[in-house]
Amino acid sequence: EVVLTQSPGTLSLSPGERATLSCRASQSIDRNYLAWYQQKPGQAPRLLIYAASSRATDIPDRFSGSGSGTDFSLTISRLEPEDFAVYYCHQYYRSPPYTFGQGTRLEIK
Amino acid sequence: QIKLVQSGTEVKKPGASLKVSCKASGYTFTRYGITWVRQAPGQGLEWMGWINSNNGNTHYAQKFLGRVTMTTDTSTTTAYLELRSLRSDDTAVFYCARTLVDYSGRPYYSDYWGQGTVVTASS
Repeated sequence: EVVLTQSPGTLSLSPGERATLSCRASQSIDRNYLAWYQQKPGQAPRLLIYAASSRATDIPDRFSGSGSGTDFSLTISRLEPEDFAVYYCHQYYRSPPYTFGQGTRLEIK
Repeated sequence: QIKLVQSGTEVKKPGASLKVSCKASGYTFTRYGITWVRQAPGQGLEWMGWINSNNGNTHYAQKFLGRVTMTTDTSTTTAYLELRSLRSDDTAVFYCARTLVDYSGRPYYSDYWGQGTVVTASS
């Protein structure tokens, strides 16, 4: 089973700033089979990024994903008030079981 | 538009069984799978397993083996999650999510999610 470790656990930033969230895998994820989700309180997760760097439908271009192998990141170029939420990375490499990272909470400073 | 609508809140006694439904619409049901994800209060997302809606193939996470069954009814485009022998630590929100499938039937990521079903397991 691939273990995903996200850092930091909590990130405190102000609107307009740049956010960089990290996701490290316990083994190499070939074909960049990694996704990022955003979750706000009381809501279902929302797909942001798939295949490490492809934006999902209707996702603003301030969200970008990068990385390969075992190290991946999600960058939000300029934070908007609605971006403060919890973010999860998710690997879907090889056969199941698939796994999620433990999440990074992005909070307003 | 694509929608996944889940059944409502459940309150169960420990030891009981749970069945959650997930009604899909707006897409060809058999071209995708359904993944089920659990989220305990204040905790992260936990992948429980998935089912290929085309052929019924399933894969369950190890910790749920023997207690979980995932099924689909293609005539009503509905997926079901059954969890038996409920424990207090099964108290959580359960989500279904539409999951892309590759040419070999292997699941990819999930793109559309249901609204979640709140389950409380308590005596």
